[in-house]
Amino acid sequence: DVKVTQSSRYLVKRTGEKVFLECVQDMDHENMFWYRQDPGLGLRLIYFSYDVKMKEKGDIPEGYSVSREKKERFSLILESASTNQTSMYLCASSLGAGVRGEKLFFGSGTQLSVL
Amino acid sequence: DQQVKQNSPSLSVQEGRISILNCDYTNSMFDYFLWYKKYPAEGPTFLISISSIKDKNEDGRFTVFLNKSAKHLSLHIVPSQPGDSAVYFCAAKNNNDMRFGAGTRLTVKP
Repeated sequence: DVKVTQSSRYLVKRTGEKVFLECVQDMDHENMFWYRQDPGLGLRLIYFSYDVKMKEKGDIPEGYSVSREKKERFSLILESASTNQTSMYLCASSLGAGVRGEKLFFGSGTQLSVL
Repeated sequence: DQQVKQNSPSLSVQEGRISILNCDYTNSMFDYFLWYKKYPAEGPTFLISISSIKDKNEDGRFTVFLNKSAKHLSLHIVPSQPGDSAVYFCAAKNNNDMRFGAGTRLTVKP
């Protein structure tokens, strides 16, 4: 089974802090994604990556950046945390670009609270 | 701009009965549709999918129906079990663009 591991289950940070969310997958997947889940809004894509050192903006990239230095690791960075970034953050991976019908494998999520 | 909509935030059914979860989409370029299930404190897990060239896909107690002309899909769970209580997300895909609905919380009462 694919395992996608997010480093923290819960995080509490202060406004203005720089926040790092880490994600590691163990199945040599090409694609990795960061979503946030908010009530009534579902899952919204922040950033995704199809290869090492490659990144693409999703629907809501403002206030976030990402890093993918190694294939198995995809980091989400909040440059200066704000209260509206309080949310559940979900990392996901999938097999490869262009694979029709491929499904995403999700981590357990990080509940971030920004005070 | 929500391209995938789940208009029912919650659904409650009795154990043993059918659960029907609905999903509508607006983008006719979507060519693959998926349902994910999410328990509290866990990430979503893949449940079932359907290609746009089909109108039905069945896997055990779960069946997904696709009506392309109406841009509508539904998930049927028969019979419903208490362990099915979770949030269900509908997702639609075009190439590498996957969009999710807001989710429907299903509660199956014993």
